[in-house]
Amino acid sequence: QKEVEQDPGPLSVPEGAIVSLNCTYSNSAFQYFMWYRQYSRKGPELLMYTYSSGNKEDGRFTAQVDKSSKYISLFIRDSQPSDSATYLCALENAGNMLTFGGGTRLMVKP
Amino acid sequence: DGGITQSPKYLFRKEGQNVTLSCEQNLNHDAMYWYRQDPGQGLRLIYYSQIVNDFQKGDIAEGYSVSREKKESFPLTVTSAQKNPTAFYLCASTGPPSGANVLTFGAGSRLTVL
Repeated sequence: QKEVEQDPGPLSVPEGAIVSLNCTYSNSAFQYFMWYRQYSRKGPELLMYTYSSGNKEDGRFTAQVDKSSKYISLFIRDSQPSDSATYLCALENAGNMLTFGGGTRLMVKP
Repeated sequence: DGGITQSPKYLFRKEGQNVTLSCEQNLNHDAMYWYRQDPGQGLRLIYYSQIVNDFQKGDIAEGYSVSREKKESFPLTVTSAQKNPTAFYLCASTGPPSGANVLTFGAGSRLTVL
């Protein structure tokens, strides 16, 4: 079993939809929870990160962490075609090392 | 603009050849990383370096080698010992630790073995 599981998709939604992207993990020692966005043939870029359980909002993006269930989510409101990308969750342990999920490919259709 | 430059963007290699991927950063970051990305497998850590002249193996170091002679540079050599080298290679760096270990990535190098 992988330490971090992420549905690879692809996830196809119409423009304006609310998107939910999720990761589950098995190691309770993870302390930072990150979301990276990766456009095709590019390097990932950080979208946002959280430290504790709860929600964190940044514009159209909301990150949610449920440590008790070992489940993290990224919600995208009013999705746009420019949001079409692969979304990677990354979890950081106490030694500052990251474990990445496999990524979910999102397609937002006009 | 500050950032990470990886070259070449695309590289083709014949079996049995060593190839070196370049990674240069002008962010004044101390730590640098090399990741390999395969479809559906996420990013896997090959090597990392937290200071000049020092580096550590990651999860999949076999068949790879690195050097860190300058703070700005962290080249990766894919040797002929790497059995399945076709992949997308990403270089990253981080600044001084302050909370989350946020990585800044380069644009990647795609290696194809013919």
